[in-house]
Parts: sequence; C-alpha cells; structure tokens
Amino acid sequence: DIQLTQSPSFLSASIGDRVTITCRASQDISTYLAWYQQKPGKAPKLLIYAASTLQSGVPSRFSGSGSGTEFTLTINSLQPEDFATYCCQQLYIYPLTFGGGTKVEIK
Amino acid sequence: EVQLVESGGGLVKPGGSLRLSCAAAGFTFSRYTMTWVRQAPGKGLEWVSSITGGSGDLFYADSVRGRFTISRDNAENSLHLQMNSLRAEDTAVYYCAKYTWASTVKAGVDSWGQGTLVTVSS
Repeated sequence: DIQLTQSPSFLSASIGDRVTITCRASQDISTYLAWYQQKPGKAPKLLIYAASTLQSGVPSRFSGSGSGTEFTLTINSLQPEDFATYCCQQLYIYPLTFGGGTKVEIK
Repeated sequence: EVQLVESGGGLVKPGGSLRLSCAAAGFTFSRYTMTWVRQAPGKGLEWVSSITGGSGDLFYADSVRGRFTISRDNAENSLHLQMNSLRAEDTAVYYCAKYTWASTVKAGVDSWGQGTLVTVSS
C-alpha cells in the first residue's frame, strides 16, 4: 500500500500568512493526488486534484504543486475561514490512502 | 445539485452487523464510481471501499476486507455497505462519497454525504 506522510501535523499561523503543507508518498504516484479541507463536524471539501488543478469554486489563494513523491499545498494570505484540517489523498492505485492530516490553527 | 444522504448508523455490539445505505440524487448515479470513507473520533480520514458504476469492480481496505461488502442499486440510486463482525476499531463516522468524474477516480471526491456514526461497543 502507498503511504502518505504529511508535514507538519500541526501548524499555527496568523491571518495573512502564507502556509505550505507537504505530502510525501512512499512511491511514485505521478500527479494523482488530491487535497481536501475539513472543518470540525463537517465532511471534507475537495480543494485540488491532479496535484495542481483547483476545484471549481475554490479560492485562488489555494494552490498545489508536485509530482512523483513530493507534493505541496500552499495557502497564500491565510483567511479566517481557512483554519481547518487539510488532508491529501493518493488516487494512483487502490487502496486510495489518505495522509494523516495537518491542522492549521490561529496563532 | 448532488445530494448524498447516509442512513443506518448506530450502536452495535462487537461481533454484530450493520447495513449502511446512501441515497443519491442530482447526478447520473450509475455512471460514477462510489466510495465509503470513514473517520474515527479525533482521527484522520480512512478510505474503506469503492465500487464502479456497473458494480463490476469492488475494492476494499485491508482493515475491512472479508467483513464488509459494498454494493449498489442503480435502479434505486442507492449505495450500501454491509458491515459484519464489527470491532471497536470500526467505530467512526462513515461518509458516502462520489468521485468528481464519471470516467476515472483520479480527480478525487467532490461530493460527500453528511456522514453516519457507527459505534461498536458492548
């Protein structure tokens, strides 16, 4: 099975900060990676797929990059509504594993 | 608008069974691979199982293979998860979810239900 390792697992940031979250895959997954945002008590929300394609309706301050085994999610100018947990998922091969998540909290 | 509504969760004793259902609306259900994802209390997301549109291919996480069975009824636009031999570690919110594109799972999951809580405890 492909393991996804996210770092950091916890991040404290201020409004307006630029935030970068990393997701590392245990083997090459090309660009078959998605990023989700989840708020407490809510279902996840798709932000980015194919490593860098912004899902419709997602603000442009979110961006994704990477291929192979290393991927990043960047949030430019963090907004109050962005404080949440972010998670990556590989869609290269079953089982479609998730990363452990990164919780972004207000500093 | 896509709607996914789960039902069937609840409290069950270890070794017991539950059948989760998901009613889908707002899209051509039969064209899409569907999936169940779970989240244990305070933990991250765990992919559980997926089924292709025509039910030709079924996929399971190792943690549930042999105990859980995914199925769908395209005539009724419904997805199901039969869960047998339940364990305490199966306690989680179970989400029904739809992949973004009909042709592939590569674009991730764009629609989720509200989730249904399964608690396995004596």
